[in-house]
Amino acid sequence: AQSVTQPDIHITVSEGASLELRCNYSYGATPYLFWYVQSPGQGLQLLLKYFSGDTLVQGIKGFEAEFKRSQSSFNLRKPSVHWSDAAEYFCASGGFKTIFGAGTRLFVKA
Amino acid sequence: NAGVTQTPKFQVLKTGQSMTLQCAQDMNHNSMYWYRQDPGMGLRLIYYSASEGTTDKGEVPNGYNVSRLNKREFSLRLESAAPSQTSVYFCASSEPGQAPEGYTFGSGTRLTVV
Repeated sequence: AQSVTQPDIHITVSEGASLELRCNYSYGATPYLFWYVQSPGQGLQLLLKYFSGDTLVQGIKGFEAEFKRSQSSFNLRKPSVHWSDAAEYFCASGGFKTIFGAGTRLFVKA
Repeated sequence: NAGVTQTPKFQVLKTGQSMTLQCAQDMNHNSMYWYRQDPGMGLRLIYYSASEGTTDKGEVPNGYNVSRLNKREFSLRLESAAPSQTSVYFCASSEPGQAPEGYTFGSGTRLTVV
């Protein structure tokens, strides 16, 4: 069965610092992979997606993610974090009946 | 604005009461979903509808029923609410296929059962 693991429950980074959020998936074939962001009291918004082609994908708000088949990972990165990036981030797998990780809450300190 | 609309946004129920959560999308998507979100557990699929006229159970269907009223609308019903159903409920829609675009989510319904 598919599963998605986000090892970090929460992460704190300083404003302007770089960010990497980890995601590991289990799936036999090449999966469809997504990152979503959820601001407090809001629904989830799609940041980026991967299903084939270039393993480095660009998303909205300056985020990118890299698919590494050998490590079963799809980590989310941003070179310089802004205070407005504080939110919860979800990695997800599957284009239909999507499976979500438990989420990583990002705190940004001034 | 195009998107997924959920009503109500907040609800408090007493144990044993029933209610229906409404969801409508205007993107002409074929698939619709109901998820619940609980702290530390991510989102878990309750029910889904692959296309108009079909519904099926997800990971945590017990205590819920759904109706796909038409292509736009997909409702979730709690027949006899229990405290364990206190959660945030999200409706989503998508157009699965060769190149899935991901989900579009509603803003959620925060349900408390006392």
